Amino acid sequence: GNSVTQMEGPVTLSEEAFLTINCTYTATGYPSLFWYVQYPGEGLQLLLKATKADDKGSNKGFEATYRKETTSFHLEKGSVQVSDSAVYFCALSPRTNAGGTSYGKLTFGQGTILTVHP
Amino acid sequence: GAGVSQSPSNKVTEKGKDVELRCDPISGHTALYWYRQSLGQGLEFLIYFQGNSAPDKSGLPSDRFSAERTGGSVSTLTIQRTQQEDSAVYLCASSLNPSGRQYFGPGTRLTVT
Repeated sequence: GNSVTQMEGPVTLSEEAFLTINCTYTATGYPSLFWYVQYPGEGLQLLLKATKADDKGSNKGFEATYRKETTSFHLEKGSVQVSDSAVYFCALSPRTNAGGTSYGKLTFGQGTILTVHP
Repeated sequence: GAGVSQSPSNKVTEKGKDVELRCDPISGHTALYWYRQSLGQGLEFLIYFQGNSAPDKSGLPSDRFSAERTGGSVSTLTIQRTQQEDSAVYLCASSLNPSGRQYFGPGTRLTVT
């Protein structure tokens, strides 16, 4: 079955540090890949996505590249801010081959807590 | 505009009681999902609705769990004879179409004592 493995947390960084959160996946077919973020006291929200190999998703200074050869989708940010403190989830959504139908059933990693100190 | 709403936001119930959790999706969204977020299991899929039909119920953990959706809108997740392991945050998400971006509600925190 499909699965997502995320870097264990928690991760604690100083402001302006470089961030990497590793994510690898196992899936059949050609899944779409996502990073979701949950800020303190808020609901889960989409951060970025990529739908095919070598695509790069980006948003709010965060980036992740869909690497099919290594089945990875690592999240990076060059300079984190205190406001980036949150829980980050890597996720995948399977797709059938072209011509089929699909829906967005998400499989999530276990989440990584990020704390950024001033 | 209005996002996905869920009620109640918090629910404390005694073991063995039945509970109903409600989700109001974004108007016009045809697809609706329920997920559960718990300490032991992380974030896991429960059920998917397209319109009023549930083509994928594969994530429901036992026959104590059921869900319905009426009028292509509101959905109710019912847990019968609650157990302590049912304690979790239950999240609802909706999307405009089956493969579209999912928008999540704030969740219902269920505590079974």
